[in-house]
Amino acid sequence: GQQLNQSPQSMFIQEGEDVSMNCTSSSIFNTWLWYKQDPGEGPVLLIALYKAGELTSNGRLTAQFGITRKDSFLNISASIPSDVGIYFCAGPHPNRDDKIIFGKGTRLHILP
Amino acid sequence: DTGVSQNPRHKITKRGQNVTFRCDPISEHNRLYWYRQTLGQGPEFLTYFQNEAQLEKSRLLSDRFSAERPKGSFSTLEIQRTEQGDSAMYLCASSSSPRDPSYEQYFGPGTRLTVT
Repeated sequence: GQQLNQSPQSMFIQEGEDVSMNCTSSSIFNTWLWYKQDPGEGPVLLIALYKAGELTSNGRLTAQFGITRKDSFLNISASIPSDVGIYFCAGPHPNRDDKIIFGKGTRLHILP
Repeated sequence: DTGVSQNPRHKITKRGQNVTFRCDPISEHNRLYWYRQTLGQGPEFLTYFQNEAQLEKSRLLSDRFSAERPKGSFSTLEIQRTEQGDSAMYLCASSSSPRDPSYEQYFGPGTRLTVT
């Protein structure tokens, strides 16, 4: 079935560092969504992207819709402890825009 | 609070028992989705409703699972004869129609089911 591949699976960084993660697909996507999930909670929508090449920011978070339409990137600048969690990319199924497909997530750890 | 709410937040049940979960979506959203999430995975689609109509069911949704949205507002997800493999977080999300400019899904806090 259709899959979204997220990289890296997990990352350990120092507080204050910048973070980069990405999401790739074998199919073209028309929308990319980035969610964050804290332990024991539901995912929270961070950023939605609708156009190839689009760059959108939400505070210290910046996401880009890849030109090929097969990838997306999320950057977090100057990480803080509350950034800890799992970041999921998601997008509508290429053939069924009423279904959302999620990647397996990138787990972010911040070292004290 | 105008977000998506789910009840209960946690449920522990014995194998073979029936359980029912409730989801209250954002009031102006006409689409409601159910997902299941296991450890280390992203949410997996189970089923969704547009208003009161159930439009699709995943193959993950065995015949022991049933979902309803009788008045197009809240929804219930029932699992009959629970099995240990049903242990997971069950997430509900809502969205507006995809014909709108945006159709991001907004999630509730989830119901964590543990089957012993």
